[in-house]
Amino acid sequence: SQTIHQWPATLVQPVGSPLSLECTVEGTSNPNLYWYRQAAGRGLQLLFYSVGIGQISSEVPQNLSASRPQDRQFILSSKKLLLSDSGFYLCAWSVRVGTDTYEQYFGPGTRLTVT
Amino acid sequence: GQNIDQPTEMTATEGAIVQINCTYQTSGFNGLFWYQQHAGEAPTFLSYNVLDGLEEKGRFSSFLSRSKGYSYLLLKELQMKDSASYLCAVSLASGGSYIPTFGRGTSLIVHP
Repeated sequence: SQTIHQWPATLVQPVGSPLSLECTVEGTSNPNLYWYRQAAGRGLQLLFYSVGIGQISSEVPQNLSASRPQDRQFILSSKKLLLSDSGFYLCAWSVRVGTDTYEQYFGPGTRLTVT
Repeated sequence: GQNIDQPTEMTATEGAIVQINCTYQTSGFNGLFWYQQHAGEAPTFLSYNVLDGLEEKGRFSSFLSRSKGYSYLLLKELQMKDSASYLCAVSLASGGSYIPTFGRGTSLIVHP
């Protein structure tokens, strides 16, 4: 079965500090991978998605970046955090289960507080 | 642009049936996801509808009408543990892949 790992689970960082969140997937090959952010009381915002190694699409221009150095590894980074970067960061992967039918599964998330 | 609408909050009684609606206006539509998210946790996949009609999975069913840009999630025999946020997301074609785009979610409160 497939599992998805994210770490750390919680993080408190000062404004201006760097960020690195890691996500790894087990039990599948060449998954589509996604980074979402959920601010308090708001919906899920897609930040980045990747259809393969080194292939990153950015949905929202901001001070975050993503990389996919290996097939099942997806990293979210920032050089300098802003207060507005606080939120619940979720990694997800999707799989095609039939003709044009998909399922998407989320990791446990990282709760980031920028102070 | 993309527009996905769901009610912000709903309340229901334990044992009852509740229907959570989702309407969308999008381009490149492929299908529609429903997720359940308990407070402080990650969303859990419930269903993905591609074709028109009703799909049933135990106490939960999901309906889609592509021509009307409309879906609903039906929860039967409500239990207290069903209190959660329910997220509607449309899967949109983008560069050969399909990207889920989420609504703001509906907070369901089940009371005794």
